[in-house]
Amino acid sequence: GAVVSQHPSWVICKSGTSVKIECRSLDFQATTMFWYRQFPKQSLMLMATSNEGSKATYEQGVEKDKFLINHASLTLSTLTVTSAHPEDSSFYICSASARDNRFQPQHFGDGTRLSIL
Amino acid sequence: GIQVEQSPPDLILQEGANSTLRCNFSDSVNNLQWFHQNPWGQLINLFYIPSGTKQNGRLSATTVATERYSLLYISSSQTTDSGVYFCAVERYGGATNKLIFGTGTLLAVQP
Repeated sequence: GAVVSQHPSWVICKSGTSVKIECRSLDFQATTMFWYRQFPKQSLMLMATSNEGSKATYEQGVEKDKFLINHASLTLSTLTVTSAHPEDSSFYICSASARDNRFQPQHFGDGTRLSIL
Repeated sequence: GIQVEQSPPDLILQEGANSTLRCNFSDSVNNLQWFHQNPWGQLINLFYIPSGTKQNGRLSATTVATERYSLLYISSSQTTDSGVYFCAVERYGGATNKLIFGTGTLLAVQP
């Protein structure tokens, strides 16, 4: 149980385009979803936290107008990288946490490798 | 904010050897998880261990919350154990819990 699906796995696109990444909880309802970014040979850094039906909370230094997060249902959150540039190339990972139990661990998707040319 | 440091940063083992990875954190935490990130980037949840000791096959983990550290033991290592090991701590603040990841240990198991 507790499966999180993330799509796409790989994205290569031209500078200036927008890219949407989906994160779905397949077998549980996720009150909260998290988005992380990982640069090569570095740790995971939390970008933002999204709660179903409300605006996302962004970590300090993350541009909310560039990284648009939508959490429209209890099973789906999306991250849109708007007007992507080469410096946005990174590994993006989502996670989801089940509702009503703050002791539940976060469950992670397989990540999306984003390459901006 | 809370700092999470892992040691060693890099480790090379021969297949069959044992190892201990350490995670130190700078403040009290509510929960702690250990992850293995494989070469494809997938994060595998190994242990959810806010305190005490747990074992799963060749892996075991111990967290001593009062002393702010956790240890991950790998016995009889295999090449498939290669990858990066992260610990992550969680502190409750407001309505949402956040995971703060450690610096990671890069493990290479050689045949």
